[in-house]
Amino acid sequence: GEKVEQHESTLSVREGDSAVINCTYTDTASSYFPWYKQEAGKSLHFVIDIRSNVDRKQSQRLTVLLDKKAKRFSLHITATQPEDSAIYFCAALTNSAGNKLTFGIGTRVLVRP
Amino acid sequence: AQTIHQWPVAEIKAVGSPLSLGCTIKGKSSPNLYWYWQATGGTLQQLFYSITVGQVESVVQLNLSASRPKDDQFILSTEKLLLSHSGFYLCAWSPGISNERLFFGHGTKLSVL
Repeated sequence: GEKVEQHESTLSVREGDSAVINCTYTDTASSYFPWYKQEAGKSLHFVIDIRSNVDRKQSQRLTVLLDKKAKRFSLHITATQPEDSAIYFCAALTNSAGNKLTFGIGTRVLVRP
Repeated sequence: AQTIHQWPVAEIKAVGSPLSLGCTIKGKSSPNLYWYWQATGGTLQQLFYSITVGQVESVVQLNLSASRPKDDQFILSTEKLLLSHSGFYLCAWSPGISNERLFFGHGTKLSVL
């Protein structure tokens, strides 16, 4: 089955700098890649996604890049702010596996003032 | 607007005791429904999903069961809790027939002692 590896377990950045989280996946049939944010003690909420028919998507300070050949996708957060501090989960959806969404282990992002 | 409500918010239970967690979605007919489990500090693991009333698919075996007695209700249960059941249980829904953007409930924190 699909495996999603999230390469950075923690990321500490200074406020205003950029943060990049990298994920890789194994199943070439994966076609949809969402990112979720989890603040301390809270549930997850959706932040941004990308489908396999594009290689870049931007929403305000967030950009997702997808490299299908390398089976790699990444989340870029520019001009980081304290409220960006959270755990970020990447995920991959594999239609061939009953539309199962496989999550990475999460990256804890800490934005220092 | 759609709302998702999970109950209870937290539970402390003894090993061997029964458990029932619930989830209700309002404002969306025939949603896809999911149960996820998150071990403390860990990633999310999909447990069950349901695309229609009375139909539930198991994704992993954790000595848990799920049922969908009504279109807007999803129940997670077991007759005998194990220590390994401790963690954070998240109910989620998605529109349509594909497991794409998920909307999570606030979660239930379960401690098994």
